[in-house]
Amino acid sequence: NAGVTQTPKFRVLKTGQSMTLLCAQDMNHEYMYWYRQDPGMGLRLIHYSVGEGTTAKGEVPDGYNVSRLKKQNFLLGLESAAPSQTSVYFCASSPVNEKLFFGSGTQLSVL
Amino acid sequence: RKEVEQDPGPFNVPEGATVAFNCTYSNSASQSFFWYRQDCRKEPKLLMSVYSSGNEDGRFTAQLNRASQYISLLIRDSKLSDSATYLCVVNSNTGKLIFGQGTTLQVKP
Repeated sequence: NAGVTQTPKFRVLKTGQSMTLLCAQDMNHEYMYWYRQDPGMGLRLIHYSVGEGTTAKGEVPDGYNVSRLKKQNFLLGLESAAPSQTSVYFCASSPVNEKLFFGSGTQLSVL
Repeated sequence: RKEVEQDPGPFNVPEGATVAFNCTYSNSASQSFFWYRQDCRKEPKLLMSVYSSGNEDGRFTAQLNRASQYISLLIRDSKLSDSATYLCVVNSNTGKLIFGQGTTLQVKP
């Protein structure tokens, strides 16, 4: 039982490069979330989805795009990476917008 | 003003002490509340949900005060293993789950 899987676990980008983070869950959860965590900032919600085909902005959506084409996958895209996007990214899913099941995180560095 | 606010601490307490954290939220329509624990920047793990009537799980007690819009977490008889960051999470009525910035607890021998 994999739960929530994030790929990649680590990535280094140069400013201006693009990349996509993949979050996959095998629990048939409706809700999925992308958070970023910076030192002293707690987790901040980037985007979230309340079901297949739907997405919504969170607290800090600028510079990111998301897609939820399949219920089990939630993709986070950075079109033109900036050093301010250096962070740890966590994906989570939830069956009914309650208890969160987290992936193990992605450490992203933008140089 | 942030939607969910916590005192970041750190709270430094001796083993056996009782410690309490508060978390305030701004959206009066918020429907459910949780406390998570996070160790060393690993993924957060659910500690307990917070119910209107208050709830207890061993040494941990969570309470909700809707009138004043805050939740609290009380830890009795602190153990070294309780050292971690405690995050409150508030569920808005729009599907968002918002975290506070976390409160760091360090329990010392």
